[in-house]
Amino acid sequence: SQQGEEDPQALSIQEGENATMNCSYKTSINNLQWYRQNSGRGLVHLILIRSNEREKHSGRLRVTLDTSKKSSSLLITASRAADTASYFCATVGSSNTGKLIFGQGTTLQVKP
Amino acid sequence: EADIYQTPRYLVIGTGKKITLECSQTMGHDKMYWYQQDPGMELHLIHYSYGVNSTEKGDLSSESTVSRIRTEHFPLTLESARPSHTSQYLCASSALRRQGRDEQFFGPGTRLTVL
Repeated sequence: SQQGEEDPQALSIQEGENATMNCSYKTSINNLQWYRQNSGRGLVHLILIRSNEREKHSGRLRVTLDTSKKSSSLLITASRAADTASYFCATVGSSNTGKLIFGQGTTLQVKP
Repeated sequence: EADIYQTPRYLVIGTGKKITLECSQTMGHDKMYWYQQDPGMELHLIHYSYGVNSTEKGDLSSESTVSRIRTEHFPLTLESARPSHTSQYLCASSALRRQGRDEQFFGPGTRLTVL
């Protein structure tokens, strides 16, 4: 992978449970973003966390960033069947060209 | 809902044909990008543009070419399609950095199959 690892690669949970996905990256960053992709579709931006931030919330989403470990996590609380999708982390390097480098993604299945 | 459009959504074509994948956005974004994504895999940047008459190669080598004659339009062309070009192609755009917005907005993608 050009960026790092995302784990798990696949996650299957029951509706109402929480889902946690992790992302690691290799180089220093300006910000890290999480995107969601429904099967065969384009990506939708979920949340952005800057390198000087440690935690951010948006609705049922909680993102953490640990720049010392070069890792981030995405937590989806009280999951719904409609959350079934692939989730990608992507980083913008510290040179801040705006180019995104994507991880391999985590496929989440939420069973009703 | 992002105002970025891609056509066609699906394309099945024979080897050797010339194809153009269209991408248009109505958000006035200066930056536009093309990514290639194989099923179940990450996205790879193949081209990007910071504005009119600006085009750059991305991180993944590609035989395709792009042009940016108008802000809203960023077409991708393959002069001679081959089976190895079979993939999904995603177009995205974003505002300039100084506008304080870094997220990219994606089109629905074009799924290309070359027989």
